[in-house]
Amino acid sequence: LAKTTQPISMDSYEGQEVNITCSHNNIATNDYITWYQQFPSQGPRFIIQGYKTKVTNEVASLFIPADRKSSTLSLPRVSLSDTAVYYCLVGEDGNKLVFGAGTILRVKS
Amino acid sequence: EPEVTQTPSHQVTQMGQEVILRCVPISNHLYFYWYRQILGQKVEFLVSFYNNEISEKSEIFDDQFSVERPDGSNFTLKIRSTKLEDSAMYFCASSVPGLQDTGELFFGEGSRLTVL
Repeated sequence: LAKTTQPISMDSYEGQEVNITCSHNNIATNDYITWYQQFPSQGPRFIIQGYKTKVTNEVASLFIPADRKSSTLSLPRVSLSDTAVYYCLVGEDGNKLVFGAGTILRVKS
Repeated sequence: EPEVTQTPSHQVTQMGQEVILRCVPISNHLYFYWYRQILGQKVEFLVSFYNNEISEKSEIFDDQFSVERPDGSNFTLKIRSTKLEDSAMYFCASSVPGLQDTGELFFGEGSRLTVL
């Protein structure tokens, strides 16, 4: 299971673009990169998943360089409601996801 | 949109009492999970369940814990004799074919357990 490293916390202001980078130097060839979001007192929620290059959905974009040793979750024009913990997960351990500490994103007005 | 539902949302119990937390996974999902999150800590895997049996469990999931799928819809977590350190938010989750294919787990809103 690939070890991931992401910032403990980030602060931003409403309307800004937020980029959260995750490093995963020992990613395996068949590992996907998945990001989850967790609001206080709620279960984690899938945001986006990718394997390489760029993936975009209605919520976020995921940028993955060619060497796949890192990935960046991009949240366009954040609002106060984007304040949450964001988890970067790489691969699966057996048939389960293993969550790290995540990045606490605080969006201020 | 289909969702995983959990009951109760909050349960307060005395140490040593048995607790059953209930979950209704999304109907066409095949894999079921329990995770827990102690306040201020990370989300921890407890157990996964497939084809009516446990497929994997963590060190946390000791003999005090059990899971069951008593009918075609419910998935329960039982804690036989609760301890103070069992106080946490317990999340049920489910997935369709298994994580190797989609990586997407659908989580419920959680059941907060407080052991006094």
